[in-house]
Amino acid sequence: KAGVTQTPRYLIKTRGQQVTLSCSPISGHRSVSWYQQTPGQGLQFLFEYFSETQRNKGNFPGRFSGRQFSNSRSEMNVSTLELGDSALYLCASSGMTGGGYNEQFFGPGTRLTVL
Amino acid sequence: GNSVTQMEGPVTLSEEAFLTINCTYTATGYPSLFWYVQYPGEGLQLLLKATKADDKGSNKGFEATYRKETTSFHLEKGSVQVSDSAVYFCALMGGNNRLAFGKGNQVVVIP
Repeated sequence: KAGVTQTPRYLIKTRGQQVTLSCSPISGHRSVSWYQQTPGQGLQFLFEYFSETQRNKGNFPGRFSGRQFSNSRSEMNVSTLELGDSALYLCASSGMTGGGYNEQFFGPGTRLTVL
Repeated sequence: GNSVTQMEGPVTLSEEAFLTINCTYTATGYPSLFWYVQYPGEGLQLLLKATKADDKGSNKGFEATYRKETTSFHLEKGSVQVSDSAVYFCALMGGNNRLAFGKGNQVVVIP
């Protein structure tokens, strides 16, 4: 079974631009979560999507948004980029059934650098 | 809210030494507890987990026991190898499918 894939693996943008990151979950998984990893703040939860609906949201400004498609693939978008948005963005999928929760499988991440 | 605290700083030790990384947590209810490992340039891999008090998770020689009375989930390995060099994260999940992570510990094993 293929793992979680994220594209692109690396991105360089400048302040003020916007960026879209993509995540394809493990086949059959309907839940996709996004995390931001920085040296200063560590790993922080951004949001989770299940069956095309946002189920949970972390404490990030509205510049961070996401969506999920009917095939469970997910995208996250960051608008008006700031230097502090430079981070590794990790996507995780799980075979959540809608009631309980299951192990999250992580992708390799997208390394975003904002200049 | 839920939070995880890991001991400060990197851990450097010699091959075949005993490894301990401390992890304590604060949570409401009965969370599940996890240890994840991250190798350079990669995402997170689940190392082991425990879903209820007194459970012991184990994998690849690593062990951790869910201690509700001390709200701890310390990671141990009896004899580390150079290939165990990585960053280790303790994490918990409550009922909302949302992981809360500790800051992580860089482990460096010297031959």
